[in-house]
Amino acid sequence: EAGVAQSPRYKIIEKRQSVAFWCNPISGHATLYWYQQILGQGPKLLIQFQNNGVVDDSQLPKDRFSAERLKGVDSTLKIQPAKLEDSAVYLCASSSVTGSPSYEQYFGPGTRLTVT
Amino acid sequence: AQSVTQLDSQVPVFEEAPVELRCNYSSSVSVYLFWYVQYPNQGLQLLLKYLSGSTLVKGINGFEAEFNKSQTSFHLRKPSVHISDTAEYFCAVRYDMSNFGNEKLTFGTGTRLTIIP
Repeated sequence: EAGVAQSPRYKIIEKRQSVAFWCNPISGHATLYWYQQILGQGPKLLIQFQNNGVVDDSQLPKDRFSAERLKGVDSTLKIQPAKLEDSAVYLCASSSVTGSPSYEQYFGPGTRLTVT
Repeated sequence: AQSVTQLDSQVPVFEEAPVELRCNYSSSVSVYLFWYVQYPNQGLQLLLKYLSGSTLVKGINGFEAEFNKSQTSFHLRKPSVHISDTAEYFCAVRYDMSNFGNEKLTFGTGTRLTIIP
């Protein structure tokens, strides 16, 4: 079974530029998550999708961040314009079962973003 | 606000020695508890989880954790560590028990385990 795929793995941009990250979840997984992991901190949920609908985006800075999952499969996270404090690893995760306590989130390798 | 505390940011341990990584959470309700491991330049991998039942949970790679409700703790242990255990370890809690479909995890800040040969 292929894991969660993310691209690019690394990205360096200047502040005020825009950037996009792509995630392809495990086949058949209906739920997709984007996390932000700042150096020295644990991952923080930015947005959760159930199929192509948003379940939770309460911690997504909507003035500069946007995410979509149009066909309920892969997803794109965009930052526009980027700030220095957006430097972090962006992790994508997916899970197959919702409404069940025994679910497990499977994580991709992440995209390391550096904003200069 | 609900939170997860990992007091030790770094833990150096000699190879084949035992280790305990501490995790405490704040909650007045039932919780689900998880430990994840993150190897360098990789995503997070689930080590073990506590959902209900026995308070001693066994996971992969010889790790185990014990849920202590009275102390709101979920410490991770391994009796004998190996060089390959060098990684970052994250404790995570799911608090929202009533809203199935919103499986938000709250993570601790992580503990970097370094194995000394």
